[in-house]
Amino acid sequence: KNEVEQSPQNLTAQEGEFITINCSYSVGISALHWLQQHPGGGIVSLFMLSSGKKKHGRLIATINIQEKHSSLHITASHPRDSAVYICAVHSSYNTDKLIFGTGTRLQVFP
Amino acid sequence: NAGVTQTPKFQVLKTGQSMTLQCAQDMNHNSMYWYRQDPGMGLRLIYYSASEGTTDKGEVPNGYNVSRLNKREFSLRLESAAPSQTSVYFCASSAQTRIGDQYFGPGTRLLVL
Repeated sequence: KNEVEQSPQNLTAQEGEFITINCSYSVGISALHWLQQHPGGGIVSLFMLSSGKKKHGRLIATINIQEKHSSLHITASHPRDSAVYICAVHSSYNTDKLIFGTGTRLQVFP
Repeated sequence: NAGVTQTPKFQVLKTGQSMTLQCAQDMNHNSMYWYRQDPGMGLRLIYYSASEGTTDKGEVPNGYNVSRLNKREFSLRLESAAPSQTSVYFCASSAQTRIGDQYFGPGTRLLVL
């Protein structure tokens, strides 16, 4: 079983819909990242969080440490949000390295 | 400020050939990483370097070697390429040795025939 699990694996939406992507992890963590991989392959960091909630524009990330769960929300989705969204964690026992989920592929149609 | 650059962008090798993937960052970051990305799997760490002069194995180091040439550059070498090494390779860097944002290069797509 992977230490970081994401759901769903694939997601399609109509423009304007509210999107939620989930990440569950089975290890103790120091921090959690949400990353975005564009169709062209480039990867950018969206959020790093260790508690609570962070917001950037239409993106909101939340984490519940007790439940070992994080969510990434996209409000008013747009076709340009189409990408693979990746959850990754710094484990408590080795914070040098990230453990990655397999990603959620999101397609937003006009 | 180019961030993290990788060369080449795409390479085709025959089984048994060798090659070096180059990575450089201009952000004065201490830590650098090499990952591979395969369909249906998350990014997997091959090697990392927490600081200049140090390197450590990651999750999938077999068949690879690395060199942290200086603070800016971290290269990945395949001594004898195998079809199982067909993948997309990403270099990344981060300021902190431990927890911190990682900045990724554009990736190198490698096909081993």
